[in-house]
This record gives sequence, C-alpha cells and structure tokens, in this order.
Amino acid sequence: GQNIDQPTEMTATEGAIVQINCTYQTSGFNGLFWYQQHAGEAPTFLSYNVLDGLEEKGRFSSFLSRSKGYSYLLLKELQMKDSASYLCAAMDSNYQLIWGAGTKLIIKP
Amino acid sequence: DVKVTQSSRYLVKRTGEKVFLECVQDMDHENMFWYRQDPGLGLRLIYFSYDVKMKEKGDIPEGYSVSREKKERFSLILESASTNQTSMYLCASSFATSGYTDTQYFGPGTRLTVL
Repeated sequence: GQNIDQPTEMTATEGAIVQINCTYQTSGFNGLFWYQQHAGEAPTFLSYNVLDGLEEKGRFSSFLSRSKGYSYLLLKELQMKDSASYLCAAMDSNYQLIWGAGTKLIIKP
Repeated sequence: DVKVTQSSRYLVKRTGEKVFLECVQDMDHENMFWYRQDPGLGLRLIYFSYDVKMKEKGDIPEGYSVSREKKERFSLILESASTNQTSMYLCASSFATSGYTDTQYFGPGTRLTVL
C-alpha cells in the first residue's frame, strides 16, 4: 500500500535548527511536497523536490533521496512564527498526492 | 497570487440536512479538489475534478457528491449530513498534472459541525 510517515510532534528552541523527516512508499513517484499549516488555517506550499539532493529557499531547505524513499525539511534560525504543522505529501504515478498526518512543530523561547 | 475562497469558515448543521460547500478559484486552474482533515490523519481526498462537468472519486467519496458546472467553481454536497462528517473541509486547485505545476493551492477551509 501507499504510506507516508512523519513524526507527530517536535519541539525546538527559537533560533535553533530543526529537521523534520518524512519517509514514503508510493506506487511510482512524481515528486515530494512540503506544506506549512498554521492552526486553523489552510496549508501553504513550501517546497517541491523531484530530483535527489538539497533545495534551499531562505531559512527553509528540503532534501530528497529517491532510493531511500526519504525526505526532510530543515528549518534554520527558528522563529516563533514557525510554530505550525508541516505536511509531507508524495505524488504517485497517477499524479495523486499521498499525504502524511503532519508534524506539529512547537517553538519555545 | 492564487486565490481560493470557500463559502463559509464555520458551519453548523443538523443530522439529515443537505449541506452545500462552495469553492471558487480565480487562477483558471484545471484541477480542483475536496479534502477533509481530521486530527491525527492526513488529508483525505473526497473528490476531484480535472475539467468542467468532470468528477472522479477520491479515497472517501461515500456520503458526498460534487458538482463542477463552471471551471472556477467546485461544490461539495453532503446529501444527508451525519455526525461522522463533522470535520474541516479543504478545497484546493492546481494548474495541471505534471509534477511541479500540480502544486495545490488551498482555500481557508470550512469547519463543519453536524449535530
């Protein structure tokens, strides 16, 4: 079956770095998305990876290893506003998104 | 910027009522989606549409129907609401089906409570 695994909750300190991991099993693969969702709000797009390697976008970076079925989202210089849930979603061979349950990130001062 | 709007942020309905949730996007996107989001679960796809008057079942279509009469508008219908349909409903749209351009843009969500 198709499956996405990511940790349920993580805690980090303001100013620090945090890495949120995601492993996936899909029928075929057409890319990996990361979304941010603040409580009570809509998910917003953060990144898309389809090739192996690291993509950097300001304080946020996303990494993909297709051979390992693994991705991570790296957040640097954490700010209180980064407190949110981070959703990992893999696109299968039919271009359907398989969603993880999300990782709730708590930032402490 | 892509804008996806949903007709209500909060809705309270009674068991057995017919419920309409409307979604409108302003970016001429081909694809539109309806999801529900429940605590501890990933987004679950209810229905999607790749074109006007076209619909496809997602993972959990039971108890729901949809309508897409115009490209910009995608409606979700609960024919007879039940308490287990209490959830956050999210509408999304995307330009096409080809990897990056399939990035989905979400509306603000409708939190539906069925009493």
